Amino acid sequence: EAGVAQSPRYKIIEKRQSVAFWCNPISGHATLYWYQQILGQGPKLLIQFQNNGVVDDSQLPKDRFSAERLKGVDSTLKIQPAKLEDSAVYLCASSYQGALGPLFGQGTRLTVV
Amino acid sequence: GNSVTQMEGPVTLSEEAFLTINCTYTATGYPSLFWYVQYPGEGLQLLLKATKADDKGSNKGFEATYRKETTSFHLEKGSVQVSDSAVYFCALSRLSNFGNEKLTFGTGTRLTIIP
Repeated sequence: EAGVAQSPRYKIIEKRQSVAFWCNPISGHATLYWYQQILGQGPKLLIQFQNNGVVDDSQLPKDRFSAERLKGVDSTLKIQPAKLEDSAVYLCASSYQGALGPLFGQGTRLTVV
Repeated sequence: GNSVTQMEGPVTLSEEAFLTINCTYTATGYPSLFWYVQYPGEGLQLLLKATKADDKGSNKGFEATYRKETTSFHLEKGSVQVSDSAVYFCALSRLSNFGNEKLTFGTGTRLTIIP
């Protein structure tokens, strides 16, 4: 079974630029998560989709972050404009049923300079 | 709200030593509990899970028992190896007010095993 795919693996941008991350979840997984992991901290949920609908975006900084999940499969997360404090690893995860535990991709390491 | 508290690291042990990483939680009702492991430069991998009280999750020699009376889910391994060096995250999953499963992570414990 293929895992959660993310791209790119690494990205370096200047502050005020925009950036987008892509995620392809495990086939058949209805729930998709985007997490932000700042160095030395645990992952923080940014947004959670159930199929193509948003069920939780309470911690998403909506003035600069946006996410979509077209057709209930792939998802993109965008930051515009980026700030220095957005430097982090952005993790995508998916699950068939939440109680079984989401499975994570390798993440995208973003550095904002 | 829901929260997870892990013992602070870093933890350094010699090879073949006994490992315990403490984890306690705060949540209403009956959450599911997880341990994830993150090796250097990689994403999180699900290590083990337990979905109800007194359940024991186990994988790769690691074990954790869901203790509702002490709201704990401590991770243990009898004999650690150098390859176990990683960051370990305790997490809980609970239904949110919107009816979806919401995963809450602890801050992680960095484990280093020396030969």
